[in-house]
Amino acid sequence: SQQGEEDPQALSIQEGENATMNCSYKTSINNLQWYRQNSGRGLVHLILIRSNEREKHSGRLRVTLDTSKKSSSLLITASRAADTASYFCATDTFGNEKLTFGTGTRLTIIP
Amino acid sequence: SQTIHQWPATLVQPVGSPLSLECTVEGTSNPNLYWYRQAAGRGLQLLFYSVGIGQISSEVPQNLSASRPQDRQFILSSKKLLLSDSGFYLCVSVRGYGYTFGSGTRLTVV
Repeated sequence: SQQGEEDPQALSIQEGENATMNCSYKTSINNLQWYRQNSGRGLVHLILIRSNEREKHSGRLRVTLDTSKKSSSLLITASRAADTASYFCATDTFGNEKLTFGTGTRLTIIP
Repeated sequence: SQTIHQWPATLVQPVGSPLSLECTVEGTSNPNLYWYRQAAGRGLQLLFYSVGIGQISSEVPQNLSASRPQDRQFILSSKKLLLSDSGFYLCVSVRGYGYTFGSGTRLTVV
């Protein structure tokens, strides 16, 4: 079952602005990952954050994890037109590597 | 490192026709294999997973079936496609929490 919910479902911002997407989940997790999907194509792994981590950076990406609230956020700074895509969070649990994906956020960067 | 070959990339099939999508894995042995489906504009739903040859677990009841005839081969099938089977199908291989994704198959049932 889908336990991840992203919000907003869709987000449009001007190029250069920051984009923030959120993900909530229902059960205890081991890891949380963020993926990007361009136009219904394959998934690109962006970043993984472990349950004992609170924040992680990778280039223009910043991910936070709040296990008490069962939520994560993905921040993309200084957005570019190429960032236009759908973004999904995915979780796995201790002893079970099966990924459960969220419903995704469709991000549109306006040039 | 693992790689996944998934084909075809796109497929248009009439309602009632059979389906066979194949996924093969290279660069690892005894992976756990997963089939996901993504309906238009939605998230990825787990359909089947396999922990070994001949071992298939189904996550949701549906018109599809899966088989694992070899360690690194995972097949998704249907005897008669429905319109609701349209979507993006993704094969995933996992070994020790290392995830490798196929490039996906976009299936349109007409």
